[in-house]
Amino acid sequence: TAGITQAPTSQILAAGRSMTLRCTQDMRHNAMYWYRQDLGLGLRLIHYSNTAGTTGKGEVPDGYSVSRANTDDFPLTLASAVPSQTSVYFCASSPEPNEKLFFGSGTQLSVL
Amino acid sequence: GENVEQHPSTLSVQEGDSAVIKCTYSDSASNYFPWYKQELGKRPQLIIDIRSNVGEKKDQRIAVTLNKTAKHFSLHITETQPEDSAVYFCAARRGGSYIPTFGRGTSLIVHP
Repeated sequence: TAGITQAPTSQILAAGRSMTLRCTQDMRHNAMYWYRQDLGLGLRLIHYSNTAGTTGKGEVPDGYSVSRANTDDFPLTLASAVPSQTSVYFCASSPEPNEKLFFGSGTQLSVL
Repeated sequence: GENVEQHPSTLSVQEGDSAVIKCTYSDSASNYFPWYKQELGKRPQLIIDIRSNVGEKKDQRIAVTLNKTAKHFSLHITETQPEDSAVYFCAARRGGSYIPTFGRGTSLIVHP
């Protein structure tokens, strides 16, 4: 069972370059999310999608964009990376409101 | 919007002792309160959750209590073991919303 898959596992990126973090789930969950995790700041929501075709901004959306062309995929794009975007990024999904989140294994991103 | 405060940020206990982590929330419409455990280098995973129509829920050594009037909920771990060492996150979600709000996390250290 795959569940929710993220790629890559880790990446070093030069400042100013663009990158797309991939997230795919095979559970047919309606909602998907992108969080960043930084020490002492917990999990902060970047963008979310309640269902295919719709997206919304979370707590820290600046510098990031997302798309939800279908149910399974929810890529996160950094158009022009900056060092403050160095973080661990988690993708998550949820079948319905008021249900638990299923997290991917995370992507460690370092922007130099 | 919802605001979730979590305390303490760090908790150190001896093996066999009990541990209590507390969270408060601001939105009285919140009705789903999950707890996630994140071991070092791993993804967050749900360990227990409670809905607003009950006051307490237990699962072996783990229990969660909810006080809707005071708008706080707590995680109780009894007979702690070294494998309980992890970061624990509380969250709150209002009815019908896909978006949970997380606390900043508690690092629990269980000394053998």
